[in-house]
Amino acid sequence: QVQLVQSGAEVKKPGASVKVSCRASGYTFTSYGINWVRQAPGQGLEWMGWINPYNGNRNYAQKLQGRVTMTTDTSTSTAYMDLRSLRSDDTAIYYCARNVAGYDAFDIWGQGTMVTVSS
Amino acid sequence: DTQMTQSPSSLSASVGDRVTITCRASQSISSYLNWYQQKPGKAPKLLIYAASNLQSGVPSRFSGSGSGTDFTLTISSLRPEDFATYYCQQFYSTPSTFGQGTKLEIK
Repeated sequence: QVQLVQSGAEVKKPGASVKVSCRASGYTFTSYGINWVRQAPGQGLEWMGWINPYNGNRNYAQKLQGRVTMTTDTSTSTAYMDLRSLRSDDTAIYYCARNVAGYDAFDIWGQGTMVTVSS
Repeated sequence: DTQMTQSPSSLSASVGDRVTITCRASQSISSYLNWYQQKPGKAPKLLIYAASNLQSGVPSRFSGSGSGTDFTLTISSLRPEDFATYYCQQFYSTPSTFGQGTKLEIK
């Protein structure tokens, strides 16, 4: 079946980096965009950015520019989100989510990866 | 950034009730509005896209309407599995932004 499977929970110190993976299966990876969305504990949803696995085009939320990098590996159908210079307010569940074909809505989500930033 | 404001922030209702949740955008977003349902400990689930299009597999008791700045999500007859938090999302302009959520609780 169509699914996105993310890497496991991470605990990082302030100033460190984290790289979360999102492996796709059950569909043609290069045919759909991948978005990253995060959710701080008890809070709402925040869109972080998008990448097109077909051509590598990407678009990041302005507030994360310079700290976030999204990449894909088409040989393994895996998307990655790298966040640098971590702060305590980056503590959140990070989700990858697939674009609905031809529209900017997210129809398939990963299970989420908890990233905790703490000294 | 386009701000999305949902009302109410929380809502108590009973099984069988008709419920409406409102989402207002700080500027016109045409029909670039999606609705998601999220249950505790789970990823969000897409219900409605492009303001009024029911996502495949979503029960027909869910419906969406609106355009421009004002949108609604309606659940025609609540079922026990509908008690969750609902979010609207605009994708008319970058960054995409979500509403703060509406928590639907059992009365």
